[in-house]
Amino acid sequence: GAVVSQHPSWVICKSGTSVKIECRSLDFQATTMFWYRQFPKQSLMLMATSNEGSKATYEQGVEKDKFLINHASLTLSTLTVTSAHPEDSSFYICSASERWVDTEAFFGQGTRLTVV
Amino acid sequence: GIQVEQSPPDLILQEGANSTLRCNFSDSVNNLQWFHQNPWGQLINLFYIPSGTKQNGRLSATTVATERYSLLYISSSQTTDSGVYFCAVEPNFGNEKLTFGTGTRLTIIP
Repeated sequence: GAVVSQHPSWVICKSGTSVKIECRSLDFQATTMFWYRQFPKQSLMLMATSNEGSKATYEQGVEKDKFLINHASLTLSTLTVTSAHPEDSSFYICSASERWVDTEAFFGQGTRLTVV
Repeated sequence: GIQVEQSPPDLILQEGANSTLRCNFSDSVNNLQWFHQNPWGQLINLFYIPSGTKQNGRLSATTVATERYSLLYISSSQTTDSGVYFCAVEPNFGNEKLTFGTGTRLTIIP
């Protein structure tokens, strides 16, 4: 299957700072990637769709100015959590699929963000 | 939007036992996947199964798309099978967006 790599695996930051998370498709090109968030003992919730070369589309209730998404190349999408607050602490995970094969989604390792 | 419910929410079994996990969804789907989330949070792809039956070792899955449910079977459970199992669906015309189910937390006791 396709390989999606996410970095960093975990990060601790101070309130008010910004954190950037990278998501890479290692062996295929992805025109679309997806970002999900998971709170402890809960399911995954889609935050936004990252579109290569155009603006991301956000799900209802997700602040686009808080969660900046950039998809500048066919293999890299980044999620920047701006002015982080403790309530942004969560597990963030990205996915992509080889659309010309089928729509099976593959996920990165995830990033555990703790804001102190 | 589409609703995805999984049952049971929690399952505790002795090593060697068999189990069946269920995923019900409320609308037609293009894609259905089963994942195992390990203790470190990583999602492991188990099956890509919008319809039909597949088997991989001790695991197998069946999706009956017309009746809007899927089943994941785990036979001869091992402690390494512990974790949370999610099904996720992409609705028809869903543009690859996956909606995750509520999850089943499986604990295998030695």
